[in-house]
Amino acid sequence: AQKVTQAQTEISVVEKEDVTLDCVYETRDTTYYLFWYKQPPSGELVFLIRRNSFDEQNEISGRYSWNFQKSTSSFNFTITASQVVDSAVYFCALSRAGVGANSKLTFGKGITLSVRP
Amino acid sequence: DVKVTQSSRYLVKRTGEKVFLECVQDMDHENMFWYRQDPGLGLRLIYFSYDVKMKEKGDIPEGYSVSREKKERFSLILESASTNQTSMYLCASSQTLPGTERYEQYFGPGTRLTVT
Repeated sequence: AQKVTQAQTEISVVEKEDVTLDCVYETRDTTYYLFWYKQPPSGELVFLIRRNSFDEQNEISGRYSWNFQKSTSSFNFTITASQVVDSAVYFCALSRAGVGANSKLTFGKGITLSVRP
Repeated sequence: DVKVTQSSRYLVKRTGEKVFLECVQDMDHENMFWYRQDPGLGLRLIYFSYDVKMKEKGDIPEGYSVSREKKERFSLILESASTNQTSMYLCASSQTLPGTERYEQYFGPGTRLTVT
């Protein structure tokens, strides 16, 4: 069975602080995919990043960076110099490889990030 | 850009009513999904479909059914709405690629359903 754990439920920071959102996953597959989504107050989930299990390179996109470590089954997300617009719920998700029934995502419960001015 | 649209942003129904939630995607995606989102529980998969007329139960299918007669449209049906089905319902779609590659799901804006 696949499982995603986001142990942090709510995080509150002051603008310009750095913040790391943790994601730990469980799977028996050797090939799998990890995702992060952002859900702003408007409600629509926005895709942020996809990573496959064979690519352990860290990724940076502007103020966002992701650290994937297979040894600890973690895929953590860091926002540098946070801004008020980063306030949202962030979800980590896991998917198997393959087609058909494998195409579904298993989501963590989400982390609510509040960035105060 | 991929567009996933849902028929209503807000819906209020009475207990026992039959409720239809419609989802349409415009990118010819094979896979479509229905989730419900509740505080503290995250997103839970209700049903999904990886081809026309195909459907598979997700984690919480009880009280729901689905219909996929056309590739672009995936409907969620509450046969007899109950108050515990008050929730945010999110539809998503994704592409199937050859081999094992997996691409992201694209989500609609959600329908907030209240059953009174």
